Amino acid sequence: DTEVTQTPKHLVMGMTNKKSLKCEQHMGHRAMYWYKQKAKKPPELMFVYSYEKLSINESVPSRFSPECPNSSLLNLHLHALQPEDSALYLCASSQGTGNYEQYFGPGTRLTVT
Amino acid sequence: QQQVKQSPQSLIVQKGGISIINCAYENTAFDYFPWYQQFPGKGPALLIAIRPDVSEKKEGRFTISFNKSAKQFSLHIMDSQPGDSATYFCAARGNSGSARQLTFGSGTQLTVLP
Repeated sequence: DTEVTQTPKHLVMGMTNKKSLKCEQHMGHRAMYWYKQKAKKPPELMFVYSYEKLSINESVPSRFSPECPNSSLLNLHLHALQPEDSALYLCASSQGTGNYEQYFGPGTRLTVT
Repeated sequence: QQQVKQSPQSLIVQKGGISIINCAYENTAFDYFPWYQQFPGKGPALLIAIRPDVSEKKEGRFTISFNKSAKQFSLHIMDSQPGDSATYFCAARGNSGSARQLTFGSGTQLTVLP
């Protein structure tokens, strides 16, 4: 089973709200990723977790806060977002951060009003 | 040097035709080249991937051709079907340093006409 699940599928939030995106995988993968994808653009890497520790933060604003509670779960906490943060947020996982295939979830479509 | 250049931006093909999407890279540290297929509202799905020790890899109607000396690789979709209509991203990754993360091409929107 190569499935990565994400909830919610859609999220609309105001600029003062706090919300969280969730990602789950049961493939035993030890690396998990958050990407942001704007319309008609490729995914942009935001964060990488390896063995539940944050290994890469691609200079993402602090209004995005990742969390990896265990090896199967990855959260992205959102606070005080801007309308330009509206995008498709993708979670991905792989066996490790080396030469392994990444499997993407279906994404959460976020709209900031 | 981290860029992967993809062309064309959009492609329209008749059903049964061959779709060809090209990518070029500069970073010689790249050693893994996947292609992803993405349908509207969905996440990218790994379609096929190649490593530079082979010049071609075929899976069903999908073939990757790889030219190491030219630093180019391409995706060929044979007998293209309307269900193949999607956005295709090439990508590249290396084994060390900043090349360890996937670098994506800009994407090609493929439309296969019935």
